[in-house]
Amino acid sequence: GQNIDQPTEMTATEGAIVQINCTYQTSGFNGLFWYQQHAGEAPTFLSYNVLDGLEEKGRFSSFLSRSKGYSYLLLKELQMKDSASYLCAVRDPGSARQLTFGSGTQLTVLP
Amino acid sequence: GAVVSQHPSWVICKSGTSVKIECRSLDFQATTMFWYRQFPKQSLMLMATSNEGSKATYEQGVEKDKFLINHASLTLSTLTVTSAHPEDSSFYICSARSRLAVFNEQFFGPGTRLTVL
Repeated sequence: GQNIDQPTEMTATEGAIVQINCTYQTSGFNGLFWYQQHAGEAPTFLSYNVLDGLEEKGRFSSFLSRSKGYSYLLLKELQMKDSASYLCAVRDPGSARQLTFGSGTQLTVLP
Repeated sequence: GAVVSQHPSWVICKSGTSVKIECRSLDFQATTMFWYRQFPKQSLMLMATSNEGSKATYEQGVEKDKFLINHASLTLSTLTVTSAHPEDSSFYICSARSRLAVFNEQFFGPGTRLTVL
């Protein structure tokens, strides 16, 4: 089966750093994605990890530990526009390469 | 690049009618498209995987006779909600997978908000 857990909500202050955790237990693994989704809009791609370690991309970084079934998304220098839902998704290794999404973490950035 | 469009962006229909939603990859060929449903404050739930020229693969619990999927070309997939009921009201999102994408990732359309009265 597929089980992906994320905190439901987080709150942080503008300019601060926030870490959103994701743990997964899946029958297969072909990479982990993080997407950002603003209310009523489609998800947009943020990052991809398939090997252990940290991937840095501007203000956003994502970490993966396959042995622990654990990932986190790190957001630095938070801006008000970063208020959104952040979705962790694991890709299936099958031919269709389907994504299974976590429930999402609603981040609220306060002034 | 890698733009996916959906039409319509929102639709309101009466119970018992059918609604068709189009998903197009505008600047790339998508051999595989995915259809998701998202209820308020919940995550995306995969409904079906659509491969060009073949029948869609539906997830457990999704009625294939109610949610008809057609993937007639490499740039177009359609989802038809037949005999819609109020419980079908949801946000429907499609995505397309591009082989040319750096991580072979999915690109999402803007979604279609369906309200069934």
